[in-house]
Amino acid sequence: DAGVIQSPRHEVTEMGQEVTLRCKPISGHNSLFWYRQTMMRGLELLIYFNNNVPIDDSGMPEDRFSAKMPNASFSTLKIQPSEPRDSAVYFCASRRTATVAGELFFGEGSRLTVL
Amino acid sequence: DQQVKQNSPSLSVQEGRISILNCDYTNSMFDYFLWYKKYPAEGPTFLISISSIKDKNEDGRFTVFLNKSAKHLSLHIVPSQPGDSAVYFCAASAGRYSTLTFGKGTMLLVSP
Repeated sequence: DAGVIQSPRHEVTEMGQEVTLRCKPISGHNSLFWYRQTMMRGLELLIYFNNNVPIDDSGMPEDRFSAKMPNASFSTLKIQPSEPRDSAVYFCASRRTATVAGELFFGEGSRLTVL
Repeated sequence: DQQVKQNSPSLSVQEGRISILNCDYTNSMFDYFLWYKKYPAEGPTFLISISSIKDKNEDGRFTVFLNKSAKHLSLHIVPSQPGDSAVYFCAASAGRYSTLTFGKGTMLLVSP
């Protein structure tokens, strides 16, 4: 079974550009999470979806960030316009809703560098 | 305002010795605790968990201890192996099916 798939693995862009990160959750998983990892703040939850519906986006830093989940097998996290302080590793994770919190499967992450 | 705190950014241990990683939390609603392990350029992977009805959970070389009154948990690795070198994240949730709040992580280095 394939794990959570994220793309791109690395993205280098200039300040002001739009960035789109993509995620394919594990088939059959109906909850999807976007986390951001930085040295200062560790792993922060940005937003999560249940059955493709955003449940809690209180972790999204500001209006420049948006996330969508148009279907059960695809989600995007968009930053527009990007800023240097957005540089971080962004992780997508998925799980079956009915399983315990430990069964959260992470992708390999997308490392974003904004110059 | 960190609700889950890992105050040691790094820890160095010799192979064969015990590694003890610590975690403190402030939210009294947390009742399920987990440890994740992360290698460079990979995503975190689940290691071990404990619910608040227990004070110890063991899985092979890994044991997690929970002290609810002190709002403290620790992960013991015995014996430590070089392959255990990784970043370890402590996480907590209020309810088994709710979202996870992570600490900043502790980098463990096990030297031969």
